[in-house]
Amino acid sequence: EAQVTQNPRYLITVTGKKLTVTCSQNMNHEYMSWYRQDPGLGLRQIYYSMNVEVTDKGDVPEGYKVSRKEKRNFPLILESPSPNQTSLYFCASKMRAANSPLHFGNGTRLTVT
Amino acid sequence: RKEVEQDPGPFNVPEGATVAFNCTYSNSASQSFFWYRQDCRKEPKLLMSVYSSGNEDGRFTAQLNRASQYISLLIRDSKLSDSATYLCVVNVGGGGNKLTFGTGTQLKVEL
Repeated sequence: EAQVTQNPRYLITVTGKKLTVTCSQNMNHEYMSWYRQDPGLGLRQIYYSMNVEVTDKGDVPEGYKVSRKEKRNFPLILESPSPNQTSLYFCASKMRAANSPLHFGNGTRLTVT
Repeated sequence: RKEVEQDPGPFNVPEGATVAFNCTYSNSASQSFFWYRQDCRKEPKLLMSVYSSGNEDGRFTAQLNRASQYISLLIRDSKLSDSATYLCVVNVGGGGNKLTFGTGTQLKVEL
C-alpha cells in the first residue's frame, strides 16, 4: 500500500530533551515536507526537500532540523524542544511535478512541557 | 494580504443542501490548485485537483477563475459524512515547488 508513515503518533516530552520524529514514504517521491498545524494558523511548512541531500527552509524553520540521506526518509529533529513547539505535525510527500498532489502521513501530536 | 485565504466558517447546512466555498490566492504565478478534506485531528486527504476548465467528481465540482484569482468547491446534495474542514492548497510551482495552504473552511451538515 502506498503510504507515508510517521512515528510516533503521540509524544509527550520535556523542555530541552532532543527528539526525532521519523517519516518514511514508499512511493519513490522526490519531494518531502514537514508541516505543523496549530488552531487558527492552518498548516505551516517547516522544511522541505526536493531530493536526496537537498533541504530548504519553509515558513517556520526555527528550532527544527531535517536530513534527507535517503529518498524514502525525512526525519524531523528537535534539538531542544520548547513548549511553543507543542503542535500537530504532518509529514508529506509528492512527485516533483507542480501539479502532483501531496500525500500526508497520519500525524504526530507533540506536547512539550 | 494572506497568500491563500478562506472563510473559516463554520457553514452549517441541512442534509441535501448545495454549498459552495471560495478560496482566493494572491500570487498570479500560481500553477496548480487542490482541495483537501481534513477530519478533526486527522491528516488532510486529497479531495480533488482543480483544473483550468473546471472538473467534477460525483457531487463535487471545482472551478478555477484565474482572472479573479480564486478557486471554488461546490458540494451538491450534502451528506452528513461531508462534515469536515476543507483546505485549499495553491502551488506556486517553479523550482521551489512552494505549496501554501488556506486555513480551511469548516462544514457541518445537519439532519
